Amino acid sequence: DIQMTQSPSTLSASVGDRVTITCRASQSISTWLAWYQQKPGKAPKLLIYKASSLETGVPSRFSGSGSGTEFTLTISSLQPEDFATYYCQRYNSYPWTFGQGTKVEIK
Amino acid sequence: EVQLVDSGGGLVQPGGSLRLSCVASGFTLSSYSMNWVRQAPGKGLEWVSHSSASETNIYYADSVKGRFTISRDYAKNSLYLQMNSLRAEDTAVYYCARSREGYNVFDYWGPGTLVTVSS
Repeated sequence: DIQMTQSPSTLSASVGDRVTITCRASQSISTWLAWYQQKPGKAPKLLIYKASSLETGVPSRFSGSGSGTEFTLTISSLQPEDFATYYCQRYNSYPWTFGQGTKVEIK
Repeated sequence: EVQLVDSGGGLVQPGGSLRLSCVASGFTLSSYSMNWVRQAPGKGLEWVSHSSASETNIYYADSVKGRFTISRDYAKNSLYLQMNSLRAEDTAVYYCARSREGYNVFDYWGPGTLVTVSS
């Protein structure tokens, strides 16, 4: 199975900071990658699909890029409501797998 | 408005069974692929099972294959997960999630139901 590895595992940042999270696949997955945001006690929320397509209703400060094996999620100016855990997910083939998550904490 | 409400979790002994339900509203279940995704306490997300819109393609994670069964009731617009031979490592919050049309990304999620396997 294709493995997904996120870095860093935890990120400390301040409101207004530019934040970048990386997701690496063990094999090429083209652009079949999604990003989710999860807050404590809540279900995940889809942010981006097909590596760079913004889900309807998601603020434009979120953006995704990459293809093949390396992908990034960028938050251009971190807002208080963005402190959460972020997961990447590949969906090029079954079984669909997630990265281990990146927790964005308040600095 | 699209809504998913999952239920049926609880405390069960190792080796026992449980059936999770997910009632869908705001869309027709028969038109969408559906999934179960779980999250062990303090851990990350793990995809568990997938049922294509027509139920032609059904997949399971290796960790649950042969023990879990995904099914639908179109009259009730509901998705189910029958879980047998439960193990301690199956303890998790279980979410039902809809696949976006044409993609296997999960665009709507239920609030989750907690399954605890313990003696």
